[in-house]
Amino acid sequence: ETGVTQTPRHLVMGMTNKKSLKCEQHLGHNAMYWYKQSAKKPLELMFVYSLEERVENNSVPSRFSPECPNSSHLFLHLHTLQPEDSALYLCASSLIAESTDTQYFGPGTRLTVL
Amino acid sequence: GQSLEQPSEVTAVEGAIVQINCTYQTSGFYGLSWYQQHDGGAPTFLSYNALDGLEETGRFSSFLSRSDSYGYLLLQELQMKDSASYFCAVILRNTGGFKTIFGAGTRLFVKA
Repeated sequence: ETGVTQTPRHLVMGMTNKKSLKCEQHLGHNAMYWYKQSAKKPLELMFVYSLEERVENNSVPSRFSPECPNSSHLFLHLHTLQPEDSALYLCASSLIAESTDTQYFGPGTRLTVL
Repeated sequence: GQSLEQPSEVTAVEGAIVQINCTYQTSGFYGLSWYQQHDGGAPTFLSYNALDGLEETGRFSSFLSRSDSYGYLLLQELQMKDSASYFCAVILRNTGGFKTIFGAGTRLFVKA
């Protein structure tokens, strides 16, 4: 059991829907991350937050909108997605952002865009 | 650009030893990590090497050669539960701090 939880675990949505992914960490960490995991591809870093401030945005399309209201919670708001956005979306946290600290991952949300 | 190479799949027999290699071409290399991910589960940290040599943790060991830009994960006394994907990840250091880049993962199948 990890200290990072994600909801929902599975999500199916149409291209015109709006949905949100939620991540919560119970580890007292100051940094949180969103990754996209597609089959047989490296984990793609999407966003990094340090103490609720976004410190990295890796050229992610604007249809993905992150929100970090506090250091324990992270959201990913989704709207007008494309079928190629179907993937496993992983949240992670670490003590300090952009450091050598170990990242602790949640189980992910399996997203299917129809 | 930065790149990591690891085999896409490896198959081994229960009780055997398997080695999963990772080669990298990066600038600002600082260290190499390994993560394990079971189907439907979260990636979990296994090991970290910043210096050359072998680090052992129970049945798992990790090796790094900075001069060869190469590392490997060694799994001994394989068990069925070791069937999972294994990711190498390089930690890079630049003026802005540290960044972690993951490989595409190696899927390990352990057969009885």
